[in-house]
Amino acid sequence: QVQLQESGPGLVKPSQTLSLTCTVSGGSISSGDYFWSWIRQPPGKGLEWIGYIYYSGSIYYNPSLKSRVTISVDTSKNQFSLKLSSVTAADTALYYCARECRSCNDAFDIWGQGTMVTVSS
Amino acid sequence: DIQMTQSPSSLSASVGDRVTITCRASQSINSYLNWYQQKPGKAPNLLIYAASSLQSGVPSRFSGSGSGTDFTLTISSLQPEDFATYHCQQSYSSPRTFGQGTKVEFK
Repeated sequence: QVQLQESGPGLVKPSQTLSLTCTVSGGSISSGDYFWSWIRQPPGKGLEWIGYIYYSGSIYYNPSLKSRVTISVDTSKNQFSLKLSSVTAADTALYYCARECRSCNDAFDIWGQGTMVTVSS
Repeated sequence: DIQMTQSPSSLSASVGDRVTITCRASQSINSYLNWYQQKPGKAPNLLIYAASSLQSGVPSRFSGSGSGTDFTLTISSLQPEDFATYHCQQSYSSPRTFGQGTKVEFK
């Protein structure tokens, strides 16, 4: 079955850029049935949607983060990526990649296990 | 942005209890409402989509109802593995938004 796996540094210095990659296995990222999202969860807090990308490259970012976020897709590697610039301690969170299923009400039906990113000098 | 408000923020219950969690949207979202269960240290797991459709593999004791702005998740008979945090999420428009979560704890 389809699985998602996040990878990237667990520690980022303030003002630098956070970079994460999500590798999709067991299925193609080029399927037109799905959007591919990034979601984060600060420790002890709720879930915040960061944005999504479609295999064709269409993108939507959360306006609250839009000025600092870049999401890209590499269909040849079956991966999509997140870059968040000018990070601060407020960006410390568990970062998830997730698949948004267009045929199931645009729900997030598959999630990666999450990767913790701490912003600290 | 559409604001999602869950109530209560936490509740205490016993095995076998019927549990109800409410989610309210700041504007009508038709039936574009999804529910997730999250256990400590784990990613959320989709339970219900389109307000009332049970995701494959999810036990039938979970059910969802509602449309417009008011929605409910019901667990008909709470099991030990159901102690977790539950999140609602709207997929009516972007940005996608979540409720703050409801923690179901053991009484």
